[in-house]
Amino acid sequence: EAGVVQSPRYKIIEKKQPVAFWCNPISGHNTLYWYRQNLGQGPELLIRYENEEAVDDSQLPKDRFSAERLKGVDSTLKIQPAELGDSAVYLCASSPRDREAFFGQGTRLTVV
Amino acid sequence: GQSLEQPSEVTAVEGAIVQINCTYQTSGFYGLSWYQQHDGGAPTFLSYNALDGLEETGRFSSFLSRSDSYGYLLLQELQMKDSASYFCAVMDSNYQLIWGAGTKLIIKP
Repeated sequence: EAGVVQSPRYKIIEKKQPVAFWCNPISGHNTLYWYRQNLGQGPELLIRYENEEAVDDSQLPKDRFSAERLKGVDSTLKIQPAELGDSAVYLCASSPRDREAFFGQGTRLTVV
Repeated sequence: GQSLEQPSEVTAVEGAIVQINCTYQTSGFYGLSWYQQHDGGAPTFLSYNALDGLEETGRFSSFLSRSDSYGYLLLQELQMKDSASYFCAVMDSNYQLIWGAGTKLIIKP
């Protein structure tokens, strides 16, 4: 069974530029998460989807971040415009139930 | 506010046993999870405790005491490949996963 797939693995952009991340969750997993992780810290939830519905986006900076989950499967996370402080690893995870999440390898974003 | 406390770093010797503690303060509780993350890698699920007691999975065990808002991860027969960061995470009453800051486990030969 394929795991959670994310692309790209690495991205370097200049500040004020837009950037998008893509996630393909494990087939059959209804719950999808986007996390941001800074070095030496735990993952910070940005948004959680149940199928195509965003059920928790309270931590998503909505002035510059947006997300969507197409047909309840793939998801994209966008930042526009990016700021220096957005440099982090962006992790996507999916879950068949609430007790465990399966993570992708993440996208390491560097904003210069 | 909601918070999880775990030591920032633990050092142990190869072949030994190490315990990583986690205390939590959250709005509601459904369960305590543990994840392992190697440098540059993604977090991987290790264990989940919803009820009090010890859960054993090979060399790893996880314990939960809901009355004390406390749990721990026990790693036995430590191997060099166990060097990683370990995160505890609590599922609160809103089904939100609250994460600790992680414990870096350093294993010496």
